[in-house]
Amino acid sequence: EVQLVETGGGLIQPGGSLRLSCAASGFTVSSSYMSWVRQAPGKGLEWVSLIDSGGTTFHADSVKGRFTISRDNSKNTLFLQMNSLRAEDTAVYYCARVRVGWNYVDYWGRGTLVTVSS
Amino acid sequence: QSVLTQPPSVSGAPGQRVTISCTGSSSNIGAGYDVHWYQQLPATAPKLLIYGNNIRPSGVPDRFSGSKSGTSASLAITGLQADDEADYYCQSYDSSLSAWVFGGGTKLTVL
Repeated sequence: EVQLVETGGGLIQPGGSLRLSCAASGFTVSSSYMSWVRQAPGKGLEWVSLIDSGGTTFHADSVKGRFTISRDNSKNTLFLQMNSLRAEDTAVYYCARVRVGWNYVDYWGRGTLVTVSS
Repeated sequence: QSVLTQPPSVSGAPGQRVTISCTGSSSNIGAGYDVHWYQQLPATAPKLLIYGNNIRPSGVPDRFSGSKSGTSASLAITGLQADDEADYYCQSYDSSLSAWVFGGGTKLTVL
């Protein structure tokens, strides 16, 4: 059974850094495409980042240069390093498995809340 | 302002049929990129409902169907049930942005 469990969210001051983790089970992260999608409180879904099976990464313009997606194959875990955080980054961050060869999410984690506030 | 445009809300009585539209442009839906739909029940993570414009994953009832034409796509739900109350999102890829794009979401209310 595919499972994705996010950790690392919390309250952080503007300008601070946070690293989110997503522990995967039931499949191999290194041979999958993985993504982060976020949802601000009361708002819609917004794609953040994607890493493909070859390790190539892609980021939305809104986070480019500040966020970095990566993975640890030995731990079967996905990460999102978030730097220079802003109030508008406040959201629930979902870890997502992307169907290889397609552009959609077939499995979602439950999400972790990141609140950027002083 | 979302790249894909959805109505903020739709409603219908139990047993009725509703449709949710998703309007894009020549750089996303109109460029031939597939449209996918997700259902998000209150206080839960999204769930895949339709992929590849009109394909239902295993376990999704055939009351849900998708279609695509030109720069738009639609999700149809027949035989409305109370537990269909949720937010629905369309998603595609945009070649101008080189990014995934989502619709703003549509809240379905079952009267």
